[in-house]
Amino acid sequence: SQKIEQNSEALNIQEGKTATLTCNYTNYSPAYLQWYRQDPGRGPVFLLLIRENEKEKRKERLKVTFDTTLKQSLFHITASQPADSATYLCAQKDTGRRALTFGSGTRLQVQP
Amino acid sequence: GAGVSQSPSNKVTEKGKDVELRCDPISGHTALYWYRQSLGQGLEFLIYFQGNSAPDKSGLPSDRFSAERTGGSVSTLTIQRTQQEDSAVYLCASSLVSRDDYGYTFGSGTRLTVV
Repeated sequence: SQKIEQNSEALNIQEGKTATLTCNYTNYSPAYLQWYRQDPGRGPVFLLLIRENEKEKRKERLKVTFDTTLKQSLFHITASQPADSATYLCAQKDTGRRALTFGSGTRLQVQP
Repeated sequence: GAGVSQSPSNKVTEKGKDVELRCDPISGHTALYWYRQSLGQGLEFLIYFQGNSAPDKSGLPSDRFSAERTGGSVSTLTIQRTQQEDSAVYLCASSLVSRDDYGYTFGSGTRLTVV
């Protein structure tokens, strides 16, 4: 069955640096991938969607890439700030399935 | 309302009791989803409602779990004869199915603790 995997280890970076988070999937390419931010005690908040036929999508300091050869999506936060500290989840939508499948998330900690 | 509302925010129950969790989606959102999240884990899909179509119940872990959505709006997730492994945060989300690029809007969840 299709799986979606994220690095379970927390990522610690210095303020101002670029944070890069990885999302890998097995088997076939999903129709699209979405990225969410989750703060403690809150539900996930939608950030970006990238479709199978798109290589890159940007929104302010966020950039997402989708590499169907590597079966991987990368999520970048440029000029990171302590306020960016949170858990980031990727999710895939398979053709034929009606609900998103989420990865377990990667916790990002930005040090001032 | 402006967002997805879930109640209660916290629920402590004794093993063997039944619980009901409520979700008020965003007005006009035709799709409604229930997920659960155990400590340090990802979101586990439970059930999906879309308009008047039959719900997708493929994620419900046992027949102790059931959900309904009345009038295409409010949804209730019921867990009968609760077990300790049911302890988790139960998240509800809604979306406009016709607009994938809007993503899901989640509520803050109900934290269920079975003692």
